[in-house]
Amino acid sequence: DAGVIQSPRHEVTEMGQEVTLRCKPISGHDYLFWYRQTMMRGLELLIYFNNNVPIDDSGMPEDRFSAKMPNASFSTLKIQPSEPRDSAVYFCASSPPGLGYNEQFFGPGTRLTVL
Amino acid sequence: GENVEQHPSTLSVQEGDSAVIKCTYSDSASNYFPWYKQELGKGPQLIIDIRSNVGEKKDQRIAVTLNKTAKHFSLHITETQPEDSAVYFCAASRPGGSYIPTFGRGTSLIVHP
Repeated sequence: DAGVIQSPRHEVTEMGQEVTLRCKPISGHDYLFWYRQTMMRGLELLIYFNNNVPIDDSGMPEDRFSAKMPNASFSTLKIQPSEPRDSAVYFCASSPPGLGYNEQFFGPGTRLTVL
Repeated sequence: GENVEQHPSTLSVQEGDSAVIKCTYSDSASNYFPWYKQELGKGPQLIIDIRSNVGEKKDQRIAVTLNKTAKHFSLHITETQPEDSAVYFCAASRPGGSYIPTFGRGTSLIVHP
C-alpha cells in the first residue's frame, strides 16, 4: 500500500484565495483525521470522519474551514477565504476499523503558505 | 477534556547517550499512550505504545514507562544514534470511538555525532 496520500505537498497562495487540500486514506481504513501543525500550537485535530461521516469538527477554527469526505477513498479540506494565520502544515491521517488501540497512519503533509 | 504536557521541548545529547522524554496527562480514564516520531518533512509515525494494564514496554533501544497513579509516562531511548534525531510526540487517549489521541506539544531530539 502506498500509505496516506496528500496533495499538493506545498501550496503558496495569497490572502483571500480559496485553498483545497486533498487526501487519499489507506484502503480499508474507516477513520480519517485532519490535523494542523504549527510551532505555536503544536499538532491540532481539526476534524475526523468515520465511514465518511463527520464525527467531531470542534477543532475547526472557524467557518472559513470546511471538510468533506464524499467517499471512502477521498477527502478535502477547504479554506475560503485564506488568511496568513492559516499558514501551517496540514496532515491527513487514517486508522483501520474496529474499536481499540488503533494506530494513526499519517500522510506526508501539505505545507501551506498564505501571503 | 484531556490535557497532555510534554517536557522538554528540546533535548540535545551526544551519540551513545540516553534520552528521556516525559509526559503527564490529566484524564484518569485515559488508558492508551502512543508515542510518535516525526522526521523532517514527514508525518508522525507510531514507534511504540503502552496500555494502562502494563507498567513498562521495551522494543530494542526504546522503552516506555507508565505511572497511572501519578498520571505520567516516559519515553527512554538508549544508545542514541544520529538517526534518532526527530520530533517525538506523546499522546493519551481514552476508550471510545477510535481512541482519538490528545497529543503533547512535541520534543525536538538532536543527537550529535
